[in-house]
Amino acid sequence: EAQVTQNPRYLITVTGKKLTVTCSQNMNHEYMSWYRQDPGLGLRQIYYSMNVEVTDKGDVPEGYKVSRKEKRNFPLILESPSPNQTSLYFCASSSTVRSSYNSPLHFGNGTRLTVT
Amino acid sequence: QKEVEQDPGPLSVPEGAIVSLNCTYSNSAFQYFMWYRQYSRKGPELLMYTYSSGNKEDGRFTAQVDKSSKYISLFIRDSQPSDSATYLCAFTGGGNKLTFGTGTQLKVEL
Repeated sequence: EAQVTQNPRYLITVTGKKLTVTCSQNMNHEYMSWYRQDPGLGLRQIYYSMNVEVTDKGDVPEGYKVSRKEKRNFPLILESPSPNQTSLYFCASSSTVRSSYNSPLHFGNGTRLTVT
Repeated sequence: QKEVEQDPGPLSVPEGAIVSLNCTYSNSAFQYFMWYRQYSRKGPELLMYTYSSGNKEDGRFTAQVDKSSKYISLFIRDSQPSDSATYLCAFTGGGNKLTFGTGTQLKVEL
């Protein structure tokens, strides 16, 4: 089954403790992206990648890192999490870097992160 | 002014009702218009995709775009309890970086 898989689904951590949220897609997609979803703010892009070893900042990149060493994986790293990073995180992928009906963004089922 | 405005709801309707969901936008560079549906504890999934003014129909769903007014709508006919979800409008100028609305929560009651 074609899918974007995120792990873990739920994570509670403390301020300053480094964590990684993994994202993997099995569709051989070129484009991958991370979003965070907050009430009243909607989905906002954190980072994106147009191919292996090519990453760039989205709208809210502060406090996050990413890497794209393999095409299928795009982990999100929080080096020193803070409470304002408590949010619902989504990884997404697409077969092309251009938007089209035939290559929409496919989203994972989310990771709910709480930083205390 | 926000780039995208979407009424958050919640919107509660009886089964069989016609539902109208709306978004306005301010960025003239937006050329592609989408509606995503998000069920509870799931990621958004693409529902409708359009790139021109006018209407596009897919089953019980109709997406309407008015570029001159910078206004898009999603109509759901004969709404069903399975349509209960959050609906997100999304926009892009061409790349895969989407700008999303905040979402409208819809509940269709028996």
